[in-house]
Amino acid sequence: EIVLTQSPGTLSLSPGERATLSCRASQSVSSTHLTWYQQKPGQAPRLLIYGASSRATGIPDRFSGSGSGTDFTLTISRLEPEDFAVYYCQHYNHSPLIFGGGTRVEIK
Amino acid sequence: QVQLQESGPGLVKPSETLSLTCTVSGGSISPFYWNWIRQPPGKRLEWIGFTSYTGDTYYNPSLKSRVTISVDTNKNQFSLNLNSVTAADTAVYYCARWTEVYWAFEFWGQGILVTVSS
Repeated sequence: EIVLTQSPGTLSLSPGERATLSCRASQSVSSTHLTWYQQKPGQAPRLLIYGASSRATGIPDRFSGSGSGTDFTLTISRLEPEDFAVYYCQHYNHSPLIFGGGTRVEIK
Repeated sequence: QVQLQESGPGLVKPSETLSLTCTVSGGSISPFYWNWIRQPPGKRLEWIGFTSYTGDTYYNPSLKSRVTISVDTNKNQFSLNLNSVTAADTAVYYCARWTEVYWAFEFWGQGILVTVSS
């Protein structure tokens, strides 16, 4: 079973700074099946990035995804106040569908 | 805009069955896959399983023995039954639509907290 490990667990940054979040898979996965979500307190997750690098509808271009194989990255080029949240990566190709443990991006 | 809304009891006794319903509005049940996902307090998201609009199901192996997901296309609803619950099943339960074009959960319900306690 594939495991997704996200790092760091918490990222403390100021608005305007760049955020780089990592998602590492325990074995190579297809980038087609790698997804990123944003979750704010008390809310459901929101689809950000699918296919490792494609932005979902309505997602600002300050969000970008990259990576292949076992290493994937979500980058937020300049943090806006509304970007402080928890971010999860997710993979589904072979059962079961799995999520990473999440990275919390907090205001420094 | 597609909207999903979970409903059901917020408190379930240990060893009983947790039953939730998700009502879909603003769009059709077909031809999508409809999922249940849960998040225990302070923990990561856990996928429970899905039903297709035709009623085909697939479950997380870790929960398979206790889970049933069903769909009612006439009511634009799908449901979750999880039996023999324990405190470890306490979580926020989300319903979500899987969209194959994105290979991702495109729409989510707001979530419902279900506590297992006597």
